[in-house]
Amino acid sequence: QVQLVESGGGVVQPGRSLRLSCAASGFIFRSYAINWVRQAPGKGLELVALISFDGSDKWYADSVKGRFTISRDNSKNTLFLHMNSLRPEDTAVYFCARDPFIYDSSGYSDYWGQGTLVTVSS
Amino acid sequence: EIVLTQSPATLSLSPGERATLSCRASQSISSFLAWYQQKPGQPPRLLIYDASSRATGIPARFSGSGSGTDFTLTISSLEPEDFALYYCQQRSSWPRCSFGQGTKLEIK
Repeated sequence: QVQLVESGGGVVQPGRSLRLSCAASGFIFRSYAINWVRQAPGKGLELVALISFDGSDKWYADSVKGRFTISRDNSKNTLFLHMNSLRPEDTAVYFCARDPFIYDSSGYSDYWGQGTLVTVSS
Repeated sequence: EIVLTQSPATLSLSPGERATLSCRASQSISSFLAWYQQKPGQPPRLLIYDASSRATGIPARFSGSGSGTDFTLTISSLEPEDFALYYCQQRSSWPRCSFGQGTKLEIK
């Protein structure tokens, strides 16, 4: 079965960095685009970054552009989100989620991890 | 930026009743709309994509309709497990795929 498991969240001070990981299994990871979606406490959903199936195309929301970097290692079925210069408003649960369309990127997400909480606070 | 507005913010219904949730886009998005269900402490679950296509494993009581700027998610007969938060998402302006603010479906 398709599984996505995030890790790397925690409490971090403003201005510091954090790296999130997402381990995938149960599907051909190298064939699917993957999204990072975040949800601030009690708030709605925000697509913050996405990466194409082969890693050649990446996109970032304006709110994180220049501070976050998405990457993937298809040999290890793992996705990453490097987060620099963290701000209190980055506090959220971060989900990795698979795009439903093979060899394409729609921005939709059909399988989601359970999420990892990032708290930015002094 | 395409803004999605969901209504109502809260919908109070009883099991067995029909639920109709609305999502309105600030400009035409063709049929590029998805619906998700989210329960407390869980990730969202994809229900409908491209306005009317049910995702894998989604019961037939869930249906989506609409095109252009006005979309509807219908749950034909509510089951107890359907009471949750529902979000819409557009992909017309990919990769800037925005979400609506959500509708809470609660038990009356």
